[in-house]
Amino acid sequence: DQQVKQNSPSLSVQEGRISILNCDYTNSMFDYFLWYKKYPAEGPTFLISISSIKDKNEDGRFTVFLNKSAKHLSLHIVPSQPGDSAVYFCAASASGNNDMRFGAGTRLTVKP
Amino acid sequence: DAGITQSPRYKITETGRQVTLMCHQTWSHSYMFWYRQDLGHGLRLIYYSAAADITDKGEVPDGYVVSRSKTENFPLTLESATRSQTSVYFCASTGRHEQYFGPGTRLTVT
Repeated sequence: DQQVKQNSPSLSVQEGRISILNCDYTNSMFDYFLWYKKYPAEGPTFLISISSIKDKNEDGRFTVFLNKSAKHLSLHIVPSQPGDSAVYFCAASASGNNDMRFGAGTRLTVKP
Repeated sequence: DAGITQSPRYKITETGRQVTLMCHQTWSHSYMFWYRQDLGHGLRLIYYSAAADITDKGEVPDGYVVSRSKTENFPLTLESATRSQTSVYFCASTGRHEQYFGPGTRLTVT
């Protein structure tokens, strides 16, 4: 039972354009959402997060949007750079619960 | 160096053997986690620990054993390795909400 889903296994965009990565979840108890970035042969690194009391959080080129009614979040990267090429994981957790659930990941390729 | 380390980075073992993967963190974080990463599944939680001597099962605990006698160490043991346990294993510790991951151990069970 995959409670966090990333339905696009891969995404390719041109340098300078916007990258939009999507994530859906099914558990209505989730109230904290995170995006991690992973390069080959390295562990995931934290990128950006959002609490369910917000619908948007921005950090430089990265913005996460949360639509609670649709149980959907997205990560926008503007402008995309070749160094952004990596696998991006969406994750979710519920307050007081350390059982964080991850999506299967989306491989982003940014072409020069 | 501060951070979270895992050893070994690569391991090949045979079916039925016992294998222990090591994890060490220098931040004194209370919570530590073990995940496995498999294609199509993302990261799945195996076990986690809230503090020394406190551990709990995650999503996929069968076939694994953990211990935490010291805050900084959280070893994961496969008591009798099976081919289905071939995977990349990540250890993590938590700051506030976000988790900090080690570099991973690629385990192959033949």
